[in-house]
Amino acid sequence: GAVVSQHPSWVICKSGTSVKIECRSLDFQATTMFWYRQFPKQSLMLMATSNEGSKATYEQGVEKDKFLINHASLTLSTLTVTSAHPEDSSFYICSARSKGQVAGNTIYFGEGSWLTVV
Amino acid sequence: GESVGLHLPTLSVQEGDNSIINCAYSNSASDYFIWYKQESGKGPQFIIDIRSNMDKRQGQRVTVLLNKTVKHLSLQIAATQPGDSAVYFCAENGRGKLIFGQGTELSVKP
Repeated sequence: GAVVSQHPSWVICKSGTSVKIECRSLDFQATTMFWYRQFPKQSLMLMATSNEGSKATYEQGVEKDKFLINHASLTLSTLTVTSAHPEDSSFYICSARSKGQVAGNTIYFGEGSWLTVV
Repeated sequence: GESVGLHLPTLSVQEGDNSIINCAYSNSASDYFIWYKQESGKGPQFIIDIRSNMDKRQGQRVTVLLNKTVKHLSLQIAATQPGDSAVYFCAENGRGKLIFGQGTELSVKP
């Protein structure tokens, strides 16, 4: 099946620094990618929807200047957490959907990236 | 961000029993619903889906029921096995995005 790869799987960064997480679709073209954040024992919260070649659409309450999303190609979207703080520590998950697909089994999820800010 | 519920209820069942996991969704205009399984430290894994013009769909050992009147979904797992232990989420597809609902942590006792 289709694969979505996230990198890094886990990262530790110092407070005040920025960290970038990559989401790649390995064998299909992803016109839409979604970024989620998940705190322990909680649900996945949609942060933003990213369409290739256009600006990301952020959910209410998500700071677009803090969570920079770039979807420059059909196989890569990046999430940059700028000026990270300990409260940004979380599990970040991306998902990708190819053009024209709306079925759930054609929305592919990455394995997630653990971010710890110290 | 949107989500339905932030607290994770738990369900404990005996191995071999049937499990029923429930979910309430928020958007009456959502046209597509999916159940995911998430194991610790991993991304969600697709289980089964259902369109809004259906009220029941069966897969291998799993059945999803949709009640649009009360905006309710359920996932039934037959003959639950230890490998089914995980967190289960429903998700609704509407307005071009997938919104996750309340999760349930399923624990299977041997």
